[in-house]
Amino acid sequence: GNSVTQMEGPVTLSEEAFLTINCTYTATGYPSLFWYVQYPGEGLQLLLKATKADDKGSNKGFEATYRKETTSFHLEKGSVQVSDSAVYFCALSDQKSDKLIFGTGTRLQVFP
Amino acid sequence: DSGVTQTPKHLITATGQRVTLRCSPRSGDLSVYWYQQSLDQGLQFLIQYYNGEERAKGNILERFSAQQFPDLHSELNLSSLELGDSALYFCASSVDGGPERVAFFGQGTRLTVV
Repeated sequence: GNSVTQMEGPVTLSEEAFLTINCTYTATGYPSLFWYVQYPGEGLQLLLKATKADDKGSNKGFEATYRKETTSFHLEKGSVQVSDSAVYFCALSDQKSDKLIFGTGTRLQVFP
Repeated sequence: DSGVTQTPKHLITATGQRVTLRCSPRSGDLSVYWYQQSLDQGLQFLIQYYNGEERAKGNILERFSAQQFPDLHSELNLSSLELGDSALYFCASSVDGGPERVAFFGQGTRLTVV
């Protein structure tokens, strides 16, 4: 079945460091890919998405490129801030069903 | 504010009891999803409704049921509660439930079973 695998957390960084959170997926067909973010005490919010191969999603300085050849959708940010501390979820949407399948989430902690 | 409203925010109940969680989707959204978030299981898809009809089912226990009403709000019913049912339950909604749709999440209901 379809699945999403994320790197284990927590990821601990100093402010202004470069961030990469790895995400790989297994799916039939051509899923859409998403990154959602969950700030403490809140629900998930869409961060960015990509709907076809080689698409790059970007928002708030975060980027991720849909790589079909490596089945990956890694999240990157050039310079993280303390306010980026949250849990980040990679997800895919299967074309054949309407399920949105999430990875286990990666906690990011940014220290000043 | 995502526009998705969940009530109650917190719920504490005893084992064996039954509770109902409520979700009001964003205005205009026809599709509602329920997720369970626990520390050991991560974010698990439970069930999806589209315009009143069940569309997809995930890891939902037989003790749990859901429905979507004509006004599009949804309820998740949890019965014969066990300690392991303690979790955050999220509702999300989207316009049409298609594969490219963005899901908007509510703030969740934290259920504690004691």
